[in-house]
Amino acid sequence: TQLLEQSPQFLSIQEGENLTVYCNSSSVFSSLQWYRQEPGEGPVLLVTVVTGGEVKKLKRLTFQFGDARKDSSLHITAAQPGDTGLYLCAGDVNRDDKIIFGKGTRLHILP
Amino acid sequence: DSGVTQTPKHLITATGQRVTLRCSPRSGDLSVYWYQQSLDQGLQFLIQYYNGEERAKGNILERFSAQQFPDLHSELNLSSLELGDSALYFCASSAGLRTDTQYFGPGTRLTVL
Repeated sequence: TQLLEQSPQFLSIQEGENLTVYCNSSSVFSSLQWYRQEPGEGPVLLVTVVTGGEVKKLKRLTFQFGDARKDSSLHITAAQPGDTGLYLCAGDVNRDDKIIFGKGTRLHILP
Repeated sequence: DSGVTQTPKHLITATGQRVTLRCSPRSGDLSVYWYQQSLDQGLQFLIQYYNGEERAKGNILERFSAQQFPDLHSELNLSSLELGDSALYFCASSAGLRTDTQYFGPGTRLTVL
């Protein structure tokens, strides 16, 4: 059973545009993390959100955790080719030491 | 560089064989996690060890086993390999017991022919 659904699966946009990708679940998560993975490398943690409604900014990236802690979004402003990669969300349910990953959004920014 | 090392980087083997993947966590990290990543299933949690003890199990097949040694490095053993076991295998480490900030290694790409 896929607990974390990410959408869209693929996104290809022009440099300078804005975009939002989503991570949704029917489960409540103690915390939720966003990772970026580039080809041939392991995922790299971008942010962890733990409080419902929390918003965190990382330069041009804005992460939001849903009020009910079941969903999250990642918004990128003025996308750049360096933002290209696979964006994964991950969460742990009730802090039971098992982290669940979504299948990811594959983002491609065209120069 | 995350500080997590994995060897080998690539592994090609035949069905029915057995392989061992190795992971060295970041200095000071006590938890090691193993994940399998395939195109259709995404990143799947396999197993976690904390300070030498098995801590949590995910979707790990019975043909797979792991251990963490006193020096905290870990090995993932895959036996009776099948074509479907071809995937990227990642190791991650974290400082504590819980799934806090995990640092991922570069992965081992396993190809079963």
